[in-house]
Amino acid sequence: DVQLTQSPSSLSASVGDRITITCRASQAIRSNLGWYQQKPGKAPKRLIYLASNLDSGVPSRFSGTGSGTEFALTISSVQPEDCATYFCQQHNTYPFTFGPGTKVNIK
Amino acid sequence: QITLKESGPTLVKPRQTLTLTCTFSGFSLSTTGEGVAWIRQPPGKALEWLTLIFWDDDKRYTPSLEDRLTITKDTSKNQVSLTMTNLDPVDTATYYCARLTVTMKSFDSWGQGTLVTVSS
Repeated sequence: DVQLTQSPSSLSASVGDRITITCRASQAIRSNLGWYQQKPGKAPKRLIYLASNLDSGVPSRFSGTGSGTEFALTISSVQPEDCATYFCQQHNTYPFTFGPGTKVNIK
Repeated sequence: QITLKESGPTLVKPRQTLTLTCTFSGFSLSTTGEGVAWIRQPPGKALEWLTLIFWDDDKRYTPSLEDRLTITKDTSKNQVSLTMTNLDPVDTATYYCARLTVTMKSFDSWGQGTLVTVSS
């Protein structure tokens, strides 16, 4: 199985900060990675597909980069509504796997 | 607009069989490329992909649970069902269904999820 690790596991940011979450794969997965945002009690919502493509309706402050084994999700100017847990997911190889999540708190 | 909704029991006894149904709209599993997956999330933990089915009846399972899972589709009803046998308390989780396509195997639309508790 492809193992995904995320760092940090949690972070606290002020409104307007730029934050970056990284996702590392145990083997190369090309660009077959998605990023999801999950708020408490809600289903995940996809933000980014194929590593760097923004889903429709997702604010442009979100961006994704990377390929191979190293990926990143950046929020250029954190807003209060970005308080959530963020997961990466690889779909290059079965079984599909998710990262453990990064919890983002707003100070 | 694509919607998905999970339904099924909320409480199951250990060693029983669970059947969940995902009813969806806005796409069809008779359309080339379409697929539906099941994903679960134990309370406070990460997401775990379980299984998926594509329009052509191609099915995939996570190896650790493959002997306990069965996924089926009813194209006429726009439904996908998940059956899990021999439930254990560690299977307590919120179960989600989600849409994917064969060209984009990440999950672009999700149901609201249904919490299944396994307890005697």
